[in-house]
Amino acid sequence: QKEVEQNSGPLSVPEGAIASLNCTYSDRGSQSFFWYRQYSGKSPELIMFIYSNGDKEDGRFTAQLNKASQYVSLLIRDSQPSDSATYLCASGDAGGTSYGKLTFGQGTILTVHP
Amino acid sequence: GAGVSQSPSNKVTEKGKDVELRCDPISGHTALYWYRQSLGQGLEFLIYFQGNSAPDKSGLPSDRFSAERTGGSVSTLTIQRTQQEDSAVYLCASSLLSRAGGIEQYFGPGTRLTVT
Repeated sequence: QKEVEQNSGPLSVPEGAIASLNCTYSDRGSQSFFWYRQYSGKSPELIMFIYSNGDKEDGRFTAQLNKASQYVSLLIRDSQPSDSATYLCASGDAGGTSYGKLTFGQGTILTVHP
Repeated sequence: GAGVSQSPSNKVTEKGKDVELRCDPISGHTALYWYRQSLGQGLEFLIYFQGNSAPDKSGLPSDRFSAERTGGSVSTLTIQRTQQEDSAVYLCASSLLSRAGGIEQYFGPGTRLTVT
């Protein structure tokens, strides 16, 4: 059973701080990883994806991948109240019959307070 | 361009009735996925279509659930003899193509299904 685990939180940070969201995955063969942001009552919105070990930066967001440790993280710098949402981590299946399937974690609730 | 669209946005049905949910993927996207999200839960994979290949139905929870994709574009998810535990938000996603290891998927707004 392939699993993606996230700290459920809630994670609360002050405005302007760095929010750190963590995710571990069980399938060592997973090759690609995704972070989605989901506002209450809305559908998931893709904000970052990463395929290679190391860091990937996009604006205030940095995704970090460590395949040896089976660990993915998302850092949000200069956090804003508008970043308050549930963040979903997902891994892509390594192959087999379902190339497209993503396995999602339960999500981490982030609250950024003024 | 236009994103993934889904209809209806909300559906209330009585237990035992059949429902059809529709998804229109992003133009040019060859892969289409259905997920289900119950209240306060993560996303549960249901079914996946890639081009003309046989769909991956491994996530469908029972034989009351079925889906088809016509002409490689629009997809319909059908739930027969609905039960209260089917109440959830049904999300459709599409991607440009599909490859080993996964690829970025873009979600529609979802259909909120309530079975009374």
